[in-house]
Amino acid sequence: DQQVKQNSPSLSVQEGRISILNCDYTNSMFDYFLWYKKYPAEGPTFLISISSIKDKNEDGRFTVFLNKSAKHLSLHIVPSQPGDSAVYFCAASVIGFNKFYFGSGTKLNVKP
Amino acid sequence: NAGVTQTPKFQVLKTGQSMTLQCAQDMNHEYMSWYRQDPGMGLRLIHYSVGAGITDQGEVPNGYNVSRSTTEDFPLRLLSAAPSQTSVYFCASSEQGATEAFFGQGTRLTVV
Repeated sequence: DQQVKQNSPSLSVQEGRISILNCDYTNSMFDYFLWYKKYPAEGPTFLISISSIKDKNEDGRFTVFLNKSAKHLSLHIVPSQPGDSAVYFCAASVIGFNKFYFGSGTKLNVKP
Repeated sequence: NAGVTQTPKFQVLKTGQSMTLQCAQDMNHEYMSWYRQDPGMGLRLIHYSVGAGITDQGEVPNGYNVSRSTTEDFPLRLLSAAPSQTSVYFCASSEQGATEAFFGQGTRLTVV
């Protein structure tokens, strides 16, 4: 059973608008959460992360929000750009254990 | 500045054949892992290693073998290929206790 779930396989957004990608997890032991971005024919690359001691982390146009009580996190991209079109994977881990559990991914399409 | 290098990029095998997917990293990372990516399933952990001489099973280890004789290399062996092993395989590495993993570009394997 998947411990990390991304229930939206795809998302289409207009350039300049906000993209919101969602992720849910079931294991309450997870204390570190990451987002990876993947272009076709390339490996995933790290985008942004958040520790369970925080509820928000920002890096430029990217913000990750964590709601521990709901076991839910989201990635906000503002403003969205066509170059953001990619598959986004949510991942979770227990700090110090190096094992990452991934969701199934959300394919984001940002239309010019 | 190679990072994580996987070979080959593409491979077609016949059912029952064996082969080895190569993975090498030049970052002196202790932790290395293999994932497979399948549609709707995300990235699933096959095997991982916390250092030379130490390996362990992930979520989907059946049909695969690994060994870790050096820090740099972590090959994945398919003992007798099956069509269910058709997938994209990613190798990743990270420092022990690190909060992100670095991925190779992937190997697309088709078993016919």
